[in-house]
Amino acid sequence: AQSVTQLDSQVPVFEEAPVELRCNYSSSVSVYLFWYVQYPNQGLQLLLKYLSGSTLVKGINGFEAEFNKSQTSFHLRKPSVHISDTAEYFCAVSTSGTYKYIFGTGTRLKVLA
Amino acid sequence: DTAVSQTPKYLVTQMGNDKSIKCEQNLGHDTMYWYKQDSKKFLKIMFSYNNKELIINETVPNRFSPKSPDKAHLNLHINSLELGDSAVYFCASSEGRGPNSYEQYFGPGTRLTVT
Repeated sequence: AQSVTQLDSQVPVFEEAPVELRCNYSSSVSVYLFWYVQYPNQGLQLLLKYLSGSTLVKGINGFEAEFNKSQTSFHLRKPSVHISDTAEYFCAVSTSGTYKYIFGTGTRLKVLA
Repeated sequence: DTAVSQTPKYLVTQMGNDKSIKCEQNLGHDTMYWYKQDSKKFLKIMFSYNNKELIINETVPNRFSPKSPDKAHLNLHINSLELGDSAVYFCASSEGRGPNSYEQYFGPGTRLTVT
């Protein structure tokens, strides 16, 4: 079975500072990894995904993530955040043939002026 | 031109009632899903249909019954509502095959409050 851990429930950061949101996963088979963002009172929007190939994945809104198989991690980074990045961020894992997402518990990113 | 839509957006009802939530996608996707997000924001899959066939059925009370009249629609009917059913319910869809099959598109959610 797969599992996803997002250790940080909240991350406060000042505007224009860099940020890293951590995601670790557990799986006995190859995984596909995703980051989603949820703005207040809205649905989830895909930020980026790793299916195969380059371990550095670039997504929308200036976010990127790096798949590290040895550390079973898929941390999300942004070099300079904006107030508008304030939202809940979810890491998710899926495996071949299942089409089922296992979500982490989410990290609330709060960007401070 | 909303990709995945849900109705209603808000639903307030009393314990014991029966209610339905509707979902429609206009992306031409084959697979649709229902997720429940609890008060702590935890998201858990409930059901998934592929071309009207149930393919994922997680441990969910029998009071919850999904129905897919066609591959563009997936409805969720809940009988005998309980306080613990209060949550935000999200519908999602994906292509269901090919390299993009693992990318899911989410609806705006339905906030269900049971009093």
